[in-house]
Amino acid sequence: AQSVTQLDSQVPVFEEAPVELRCNYSSSVSVYLFWYVQYPNQGLQLLLKYLSGSTLVESINGFEAEFNKSQTSFHLRKPSVHISDTAEYFCAVVGSYQLTFGKGTKLSVIP
Amino acid sequence: KAGVTQTPRYLIKTRGQQVTLSCSPISGHRSVSWYQQTPGQGLQFLFEYFSETQRNKGNFPGRFSGRQFSNSRSEMNVSTLELGDSALYLCASSLASNGVNTEAFFGQGTRLTVV
Repeated sequence: AQSVTQLDSQVPVFEEAPVELRCNYSSSVSVYLFWYVQYPNQGLQLLLKYLSGSTLVESINGFEAEFNKSQTSFHLRKPSVHISDTAEYFCAVVGSYQLTFGKGTKLSVIP
Repeated sequence: KAGVTQTPRYLIKTRGQQVTLSCSPISGHRSVSWYQQTPGQGLQFLFEYFSETQRNKGNFPGRFSGRQFSNSRSEMNVSTLELGDSALYLCASSLASNGVNTEAFFGQGTRLTVV
């Protein structure tokens, strides 16, 4: 069985400051990990994914996440956030024909 | 390339009624999954279909059912609606022929309100 824990339900951060959103997972099978972002009244958009290979994965809008097998973590980071990054972020792990999501972290960027 | 389309976007139903939600996947995608999103429970998996076959089902009562058509479009049905069924219902499609959702694309969801 798979499970995902997002340690922070809300993270406020000032604009242009760095941010880290934490995610820990548990999986009994091969690990495929994702970060999704959800803007208000929208569906989920894939931000980045780890399938295999390099443990550091990057998105086109400056986010990155590092897969750490020993710590069973997949934390999301951005060195400098913008107002437009305000959204809810979900970490997910692949299971048997399904995604298992964490409870989400609401990132609020303060001007 | 069109994304995942869910209809309708918003629904208001009365307790005891039934409802059908529709999802059109991205062209060429044969896997369709459904998720329920609520503030209390977060995102929960309902079921997944591939080539008209249900391959997995989440822990929901039998009032929740779904199906997939030969063109990969999918519907989910909820019968005897309860207040607790109020939620955002999200559909996702992927290529996922081997069961590994290496990239799932989500629709904008259907917001169901039960009164």
